[in-house]
Amino acid sequence: QLQLKESGPGLVKPSETLSLACNVSGGPFISSGYYWGWIRQPPGKGLEWIGSIYYLGSTYYNPSLKSRVTVSVDTSRSQISLRLSSVTAADTAIYYCARRFRTDPFDFWGQGTLVTVSS
Amino acid sequence: DIQMTQSPSTLSASVGDRVTITCRASQNIDTWLAWYQQKPGKAPKLLIYKASTLKSGVPSRFSGSGSGTEFTLIISSLQPDDFATYYCQQYNSYSGAFGQGTKVEIK
Repeated sequence: QLQLKESGPGLVKPSETLSLACNVSGGPFISSGYYWGWIRQPPGKGLEWIGSIYYLGSTYYNPSLKSRVTVSVDTSRSQISLRLSSVTAADTAIYYCARRFRTDPFDFWGQGTLVTVSS
Repeated sequence: DIQMTQSPSTLSASVGDRVTITCRASQNIDTWLAWYQQKPGKAPKLLIYKASTLKSGVPSRFSGSGSGTEFTLIISSLQPDDFATYYCQQYNSYSGAFGQGTKVEIK
């Protein structure tokens, strides 16, 4: 069964860069049609799509975050990465990675990881 | 950007009730609309895609309809396991804005 697991620092200082990784196991990572995405959820609030990446590297970002976001893929490690620069308290959230296949929506999600932005 | 608006934000209902949640898109998204269920402390779970296609394994009391800019999620007979927050998401092209969510509470 496909599993996605997010990892990274749980605490980031304001103005610094948030860096997370998502490791994929139990299923194909390199496959035509697979997109991998990042979604976040501030505590007690709704979901926000951050960005997506095709396994070959094409990226798509939420316009509201585009200037600060980089999503990348490491096919040798079956890993997707997220970098969010110049963070503020508003970036405190649970960060999820997820998979979508071709024109389908996100069908497999990681458990999420909480990142708090605080000095 | 495509904006998604759900209503209501909160809904109080009893077991056995028929529940209707509405989602509106700021522009035409054809049927590129998904519904997710999320329970506290858990990742969202995909229920419906392409506006009306039930994901395998999802109970048939869930149904979706709509196209263009107006969409509806219906739970025909609310069960105890259905008390949760529901989100719509447009997944037109490669982006994916979510609605703000509808929390279904016990009345």
